[in-house]
Amino acid sequence: ETGVTQTPRHLVMGMTNKKSLKCEQHLGHNAMYWYKQSAKKPLELMFVYSLEERVENNSVPSRFSPECPNSSHLFLHLHTLQPEDSALYLCASSVEKGNYGYTFGSGTRLTVV
Amino acid sequence: SQQGEEDPQALSIQEGENATMNCSYKTSINNLQWYRQNSGRGLVHLILIRSNEREKHSGRLRVTLDTSKKSSSLLITASRAADTASYFCATVRISSGSARQLTFGSGTQLTVLP
Repeated sequence: ETGVTQTPRHLVMGMTNKKSLKCEQHLGHNAMYWYKQSAKKPLELMFVYSLEERVENNSVPSRFSPECPNSSHLFLHLHTLQPEDSALYLCASSVEKGNYGYTFGSGTRLTVV
Repeated sequence: SQQGEEDPQALSIQEGENATMNCSYKTSINNLQWYRQNSGRGLVHLILIRSNEREKHSGRLRVTLDTSKKSSSLLITASRAADTASYFCATVRISSGSARQLTFGSGTQLTVLP
């Protein structure tokens, strides 16, 4: 275990469903991130939450909605997804400033049918 | 836009040999990091090199950074079958924002044959 826990590990959902992905860390990190990893594509940064700012990627469709209630928890709410949204969704956390690496969770494998 | 580009895309070597992977990037950076990913799993941070450093070692890993060429290399010495994984470079750009954002390349798939 890395210290960043993602649930569920696997999710199959229909295009009309609403579901949420959860990420939790107790490493004392103060920045959290959502990445999307599709086959044969670089990891795509979707959202960043840190103490001072929320940074969004304007290319992320509104059917993805992040929520960060506190520095230890991060959610990604999903609704009316498309089959092309099927991917591995990775959560990561880090210390906000300075030269530190990210700690990643094991990811949620999402399949949209 | 994609920041890092790894080369080669795939590499297959025999156990015991050395593996070298290269990464090129486009903008000025604070640091460059290398990560490893086993199939379908999360990424694991391997090593970080700051923009004012030229070389760094960690166990069997050696990383170099050439900011004038905007490139980095990762060398894994005495490879083992367990090193089989995808390896990614990632850069943190110099920015005015406080949140450090990592931008990843497409990765190198390393296969170490027993």
